[in-house]
Amino acid sequence: GAGVSQSPRYKVAKRGQDVALRCDPISGHVSLFWYQQALGQGPEFLTYFQNEAQLDKSGLPSDRFFAERPEGSVSTLKIQRTQQEDSAVYLCASSLGGGNTGELFFGEGSRLTVL
Amino acid sequence: EDQVTQSPEALRLQEGESSSLNCSYTVSGLRGLFWYRQDPGKGPEFLFTLYSAGEEKEKERLKATLTKKESFLHITAPKPEDSATYLCAVNTNAGKSTFGDGTTLTVKP
Repeated sequence: GAGVSQSPRYKVAKRGQDVALRCDPISGHVSLFWYQQALGQGPEFLTYFQNEAQLDKSGLPSDRFFAERPEGSVSTLKIQRTQQEDSAVYLCASSLGGGNTGELFFGEGSRLTVL
Repeated sequence: EDQVTQSPEALRLQEGESSSLNCSYTVSGLRGLFWYRQDPGKGPEFLFTLYSAGEEKEKERLKATLTKKESFLHITAPKPEDSATYLCAVNTNAGKSTFGDGTTLTVKP
């Protein structure tokens, strides 16, 4: 596709369930980013990949959060034992080169609701 | 810790009424300041990157400027389709961008 694709768009999970959110970046984009956006707030950085290497995971809120990009393309963000405070929109973004020049292309996000 | 503060939180304008949005930042070593537009239910859409004080960028009715402590997004003669949340972000290392909470702009016809 032409843009960044995220699935599922909406996910409802019961507290304690595991969830997996998928991101298909723009073909050929080297860098991939995950952000978390709570209602009424700006996106908060979670993690960053350059190709398959996870170069920064400083924003992951706990060890329940795990991200991977095994072949340097598709990425999955996994949240184990979900809690209500995990409810948010999870945004994926990609950029053509290594690093962050600011021109990030965002997907439409995956909205997670934990009951 | 990098901080980005945007003001006002919300702005309501009449069509054609020009105004400015503010983004104040505190960072150690700015590598770029970015403006994005976000429509409801969508991801942010890139608008501008500014790198150094005094720099300006323009796109249609929008002009972004940068000083050492803040950036402004000037909107000239806005139209209803300019209604959106405008986000400011700063980059101080290779990967992470720190975003503000945005200004929600509503332009009434």
